[in-house]
Amino acid sequence: DVKVTQSSRYLVKRTGEKVFLECVQDMDHENMFWYRQDPGLGLRLIYFSYDVKMKEKGDIPEGYSVSREKKERFSLILESASTNQTSMYLCASSPPDRPLPQHFGDGTRLSIL
Amino acid sequence: RKEVEQDPGPFNVPEGATVAFNCTYSNSASQSFFWYRQDCRKEPKLLMSVYSSGNEDGRFTAQLNRASQYISLLIRDSKLSDSATYLCVVIRSGGSYIPTFGRGTSLIVHP
Repeated sequence: DVKVTQSSRYLVKRTGEKVFLECVQDMDHENMFWYRQDPGLGLRLIYFSYDVKMKEKGDIPEGYSVSREKKERFSLILESASTNQTSMYLCASSPPDRPLPQHFGDGTRLSIL
Repeated sequence: RKEVEQDPGPFNVPEGATVAFNCTYSNSASQSFFWYRQDCRKEPKLLMSVYSSGNEDGRFTAQLNRASQYISLLIRDSKLSDSATYLCVVIRSGGSYIPTFGRGTSLIVHP
């Protein structure tokens, strides 16, 4: 069965910490995405990547960066975590002919204290 | 105006009912359209694409109205298991193909 795996289901960090959220997919997909989902705001795209070392800003990239050193792994980095980054973070992947998230991970619920 | 808008609901319907949701989009250059389903505390799953001519998948029918800039999802003979949040997704063209999600419409099917 195809799989997108996020490293943590729940994470608690402190304001100002550097936070890494990891995502790995086993489908050899070119496209990978990071979203955050908040009540009343829906899913918002932070960054996406269509190939190794390639990245594009989504709708809300401020305060975040990403890394795609290997095809299967797409990391989201909060350079200096703030309380307004408390959210559910969802990673997704898709093949190159389909530029929309096809398979999602289970999500990481991140709390910044 | 938000780029993609949906009525959050909830739509509360009895089993067997027919229910329809709309999703409006503001960018007339939008190119591709999709519906996702998200169960409570679960990740979204792709439900179906929306084609210009309309398309059907079992009890589900998706339609696109480019003139009025909306897509719709019709569910016939609702089942309890259809209870979920339905998200529309619009991909705008020009440069990067960025998928934008609506906030979702909640459907509750009761016995």
